[in-house]
Amino acid sequence: GAGVSQSPSNKVTEKGKDVELRCDPISGHTALYWYRQSLGQGLEFLIYFQGNSAPDKSGLPSDRFSAERTGGSVSTLTIQRTQQEDSAVYLCASSLIWGPRGNEQFFGPGTRLTVL
Amino acid sequence: QKEVEQNSGPLSVPEGAIASLNCTYSDRGSQSFFWYRQYSGKSPELIMFIYSNGDKEDGRFTAQLNKASQYVSLLIRDSQPSDSATYLCAATTGGFKTIFGAGTRLFVKA
Repeated sequence: GAGVSQSPSNKVTEKGKDVELRCDPISGHTALYWYRQSLGQGLEFLIYFQGNSAPDKSGLPSDRFSAERTGGSVSTLTIQRTQQEDSAVYLCASSLIWGPRGNEQFFGPGTRLTVL
Repeated sequence: QKEVEQNSGPLSVPEGAIASLNCTYSDRGSQSFFWYRQYSGKSPELIMFIYSNGDKEDGRFTAQLNKASQYVSLLIRDSQPSDSATYLCAATTGGFKTIFGAGTRLFVKA
């Protein structure tokens, strides 16, 4: 079946512009995560959604970042007034909470964001 | 700040040797622990998960968990050049929020 997809794969924008990053999770997965990975670094947790529960937004670095998940499926991460330090790969992952391999997260290919 | 700490490496081992990767976590409420492998330019993929104290084996991989010491490790036996990658340790707390370590780079020399 299809895996997690993300779009666009690459995004170059100018400082101060807004960007929207999209994630399509695996069908049937109730949990969806957003992470940020800077060059040579680990994954920085941003936000996660689980079913109809309120999302855990504790990792969002500032109020310029927001995310929504519509209909329990597709998610959009929005970054307003982008800054150069926002440049990174943004990874989306989805999971079954109680799958055969625990809370295994399946990652999308990522969106590489470059802020000039 | 809940953290997962790993030695960034690089860790270099000869082909056929055992590679030992270590991880510590700060949140005693962490319930499940994961090892992901990430090849350069690719997304992470799950290798092992563990939630009970002790050892868990899967093929050439063994995960070890010691909750009292807040310590997780991954052993890779008979290391192969194809094992060369960055290994990410992750811990999931109540509510399934997952915190990743910065990763350890492993090089397996042929």
